[in-house]
Amino acid sequence: ETGVTQSPTHLIKTRGQQVTLRCSSQSGHNTVSWYQQALGQGPQFIFQYYREEENGRGNFPPRFSGLQFPNYSSELNVNALELDDSALYLCASNYRPGPVPNEQFFGPGTRLTVL
Amino acid sequence: AQSVSQHNHHVILSEAASLELGCNYSYGGTVNLFWYVQYPGQHLQLLLKYFSGDPLVKGIKGFEAEFIKSKFSFNLRKPSVQWSDTAEYFCAAQTQAGTALIFGKGTTLSVSS
Repeated sequence: ETGVTQSPTHLIKTRGQQVTLRCSSQSGHNTVSWYQQALGQGPQFIFQYYREEENGRGNFPPRFSGLQFPNYSSELNVNALELDDSALYLCASNYRPGPVPNEQFFGPGTRLTVL
Repeated sequence: AQSVSQHNHHVILSEAASLELGCNYSYGGTVNLFWYVQYPGQHLQLLLKYFSGDPLVKGIKGFEAEFIKSKFSFNLRKPSVQWSDTAEYFCAAQTQAGTALIFGKGTTLSVSS
C-alpha cells in the first residue's frame, strides 16, 4: 500500500447534488493529482495541485474544482452532479521538485455513484 | 492531443504462458512511460517506468518493457505468467513539460491455473 489515503470509500448521491472527496498525500509529498476512472476505462486526469495552487487541468468542466491545504492534503469538489459523474475518483501524490521526473503514488479511490 | 492506445482489451492465458501487452502513445516529443497494475480490490501500483537510457526496463514481479521510439511503443512482457498476475494493466505516458499521466483504457489479464 502507498501512504495515500482517501475518504470516503463509497458515496451515493443524487443528480444535482454536490460532493466533496478528500485525499491525504503520502508523507513528504507536496503535489496532489486527481483522476476520474469510469467503469471499463483508464483514469483520466482532472487537475493537479502544487503549493496550494492548481497546476494543470484536464478536459473537465468548471463544476469540478479543488483545494490543497498547507499540510498538502486535498479536496475534490463536484457541483451539480450528473449521472456520468459516476466513477472511481483517484488521488495521487508525488514530490516536486524531486528526481525529475518522478512517479505518482495512488490512493485506493472513492467510488461515487450518482442516481 | 496526446493519447495512449492499448491494443488488447482482454487477454486470457494459462499459467506459464508468455505475455506481451501492446501500448502505443501519440506524442512527438520526449515522454516518460509507465505501466501500472490494478489487482482486484487494490489500488493502482507501479510496475515499471521509463524515463531515459536503456530502452529495456525491468520492473517488479518479473515484468519488463521495451521502449521503441521509432514505433512510439512501450510493450509490456513477462516470460511466464502466474495465476497471481490476474489484474488490470494500464499503460501511461507523461510529457516532460507536463505533469498529468495520460492512461490507456487498460487490458484485463486473466490467468487460469
